[in-house]
Amino acid sequence: GIQVEQSPPDLILQEGANSTLRCNFSDSVNNLQWFHQNPWGQLINLFYIPSGTKQNGRLSATTVATERYSLLYISSSQTTDSGVYFCAVEAGSGGSNYKLTFGKGTLLTVNP
Amino acid sequence: SQTIHQWPATLVQPVGSPLSLECTVEGTSNPNLYWYRQAAGRGLQLLFYSVGIGQISSEVPQNLSASRPQDRQFILSSKKLLLSDSGFYLCAWRLTGGTQYFGPGTRLTVL
Repeated sequence: GIQVEQSPPDLILQEGANSTLRCNFSDSVNNLQWFHQNPWGQLINLFYIPSGTKQNGRLSATTVATERYSLLYISSSQTTDSGVYFCAVEAGSGGSNYKLTFGKGTLLTVNP
Repeated sequence: SQTIHQWPATLVQPVGSPLSLECTVEGTSNPNLYWYRQAAGRGLQLLFYSVGIGQISSEVPQNLSASRPQDRQFILSSKKLLLSDSGFYLCAWRLTGGTQYFGPGTRLTVL
């Protein structure tokens, strides 16, 4: 099956710093999403981005499907950005297989 | 707008007891439904998914089962819980090819 690798596994920032999280995947994808899991466990959908670039406030994401990677940018980080960021993909070959494959996540800690 | 509900939020059960976790979705029809488990650490493990009433696909052989008695209802069950069943259980939904959304989760502790 498709493989999803996220880097770095852990990241510690001071409030106000910028960061880039990376997601590499091993095959073509129909669907790619970025999620944020807050310290209370809630998984929040950040972006649905199988290709191209999107921005939402201080967050933006870019997926280069031909090169099989996606980047999540966080600018001017805040303590509320802390948590685990997951990348998840739906493999594209053979049509929809209905399920997302998740990476292991990046644990982000933003210190005041 | 669409909403996903899970209950209970937390649960403490003895080893060998039964389990029933319920998930319901509002505001959409014929969603794909998913059960995930997140053990200590942060990986998400897909347990079951369903693309229609009565249709269940199992990803991991174990003592858990799932059922979908109605279009927007997904139930996770066990006849006898094991210590290893402890974890954070998450229900999710999406339309085929669309964005996936998660419920608030149930924290299960088996003692």
